[in-house]
Amino acid sequence: AIQMTQSPSSLSASVGDRVTITCRASQGIRNDLGWYQQTPGKAPKLLIYGASTLQSGVPSRFIGSGSGTDFTLTISSLQLEDFATYYCLQDEYYPYTFGQGTKLEIK
Amino acid sequence: EVHLVESGGGLVQPGGSLRLSCAASGFIFSNYWMSWVRQAPGKGLEWVANIKEDGSEKYYVDSVKGRFTISRDNAENSLYFQMNSLRVEDTAIYYCARKLAVAGTSYFDSWGQGTLVTVSS
Repeated sequence: AIQMTQSPSSLSASVGDRVTITCRASQGIRNDLGWYQQTPGKAPKLLIYGASTLQSGVPSRFIGSGSGTDFTLTISSLQLEDFATYYCLQDEYYPYTFGQGTKLEIK
Repeated sequence: EVHLVESGGGLVQPGGSLRLSCAASGFIFSNYWMSWVRQAPGKGLEWVANIKEDGSEKYYVDSVKGRFTISRDNAENSLYFQMNSLRVEDTAIYYCARKLAVAGTSYFDSWGQGTLVTVSS
């Protein structure tokens, strides 16, 4: 199975900061990567698909990039509602695999 | 508006069985792949199974192969997950999700609220 190595596992930041989360795939997955946001007690929410395409309704401060094995999610200017846990997911090969998650906390 | 509502979770003993359901509305159910994704308490997300629009293809994570079966009834707009030989490590919130495919990629664009399965003696 493809391993998705996500880093960092946790991150403290302030409102207005720019933050970057990375995911590395153990083998190439083209651009078949999505980013999901989850707040406590809620279902995940899709932010980015195809590595860089913003899901409808998602603010433009969320930026995805990468292809092959290395991917990033950047939040250009953190807002209060962005403090959550973020997961990457590869769906190029079965079994689909998630990264272990990045918990973004308020500094 | 897309709506997915899971049901059927609960407490079951190791070795027992449970059948989860996911009622779909707000879209043409038979046009979409559907999936189950789970999350153990305090842990990350784990994809568990996919089923094609017409039910002709099914895929599973290795840890549930031979024990769990994904199925669907397009006439009833419902997704199911038959879980047999349950283990303590199957304890999790189980989410159903709609899988959308576009331009050579795919993603889970809609999720239910989840149903909790607890396997314990």
